[in-house]
Amino acid sequence: AQSVTQPDIHITVSEGASLELRCNYSYGATPYLFWYVQSPGQGLQLLLKYFSGDTLVQGIKGFEAEFKRSQSSFNLRKPSVHWSDAAEYFCAVSEPGSSNTGKLIFGQGTTLQVKP
Amino acid sequence: EAQVTQNPRYLITVTGKKLTVTCSQNMNHEYMSWYRQDPGLGLRQIYYSMNVEVTDKGDVPEGYKVSRKEKRNFPLILESPSPNQTSLYFCASTRTTGPGNTIYFGEGSWLTVV
Repeated sequence: AQSVTQPDIHITVSEGASLELRCNYSYGATPYLFWYVQSPGQGLQLLLKYFSGDTLVQGIKGFEAEFKRSQSSFNLRKPSVHWSDAAEYFCAVSEPGSSNTGKLIFGQGTTLQVKP
Repeated sequence: EAQVTQNPRYLITVTGKKLTVTCSQNMNHEYMSWYRQDPGLGLRQIYYSMNVEVTDKGDVPEGYKVSRKEKRNFPLILESPSPNQTSLYFCASTRTTGPGNTIYFGEGSWLTVV
């Protein structure tokens, strides 16, 4: 069965520092890959997604992610974090061609705290 | 504007009192689903629907029912809510045609069962 692992439950970075959030998935082929952000008390906002093609994906709010097939990873990065980036981040995958094609499998989430 | 609308957004209810969380989408999508979000577990799929009158269990269906009588609506029914159903619920509507999937989430419904 597919699974998504976000190894870091909680990360603290200083404002202006770079950020990398890790995501690993378990799936035989290349799934569709997503990163979502959830600010406190808010819904989910899509940051970026990967379906095929260029393995470096640009998203909103200055985020990017790189798909590495050999490592089954889809890590999220940002060169300079802003205080407003403090939120919970979810990596998710879906399985193209499955009978439940619209299903997303989410990681456990990583909470980002930004120090002034 | 593409929208997924769910109601109520916030609800406190008592154990055993039936409740329904409504979900409506305006994009004519065939695929809709419900998720619950719990700390440390991310989001997990409760039920999904591939089309009108076609529904199936997701990963955590116990204690829930759904129906899909119209394409735009996909209500989540808790026949006899229990405290372990206290959670944040998201309805999602997915465009499954074309390259990749485009998923639209509702704003979430905070449900507390006491």
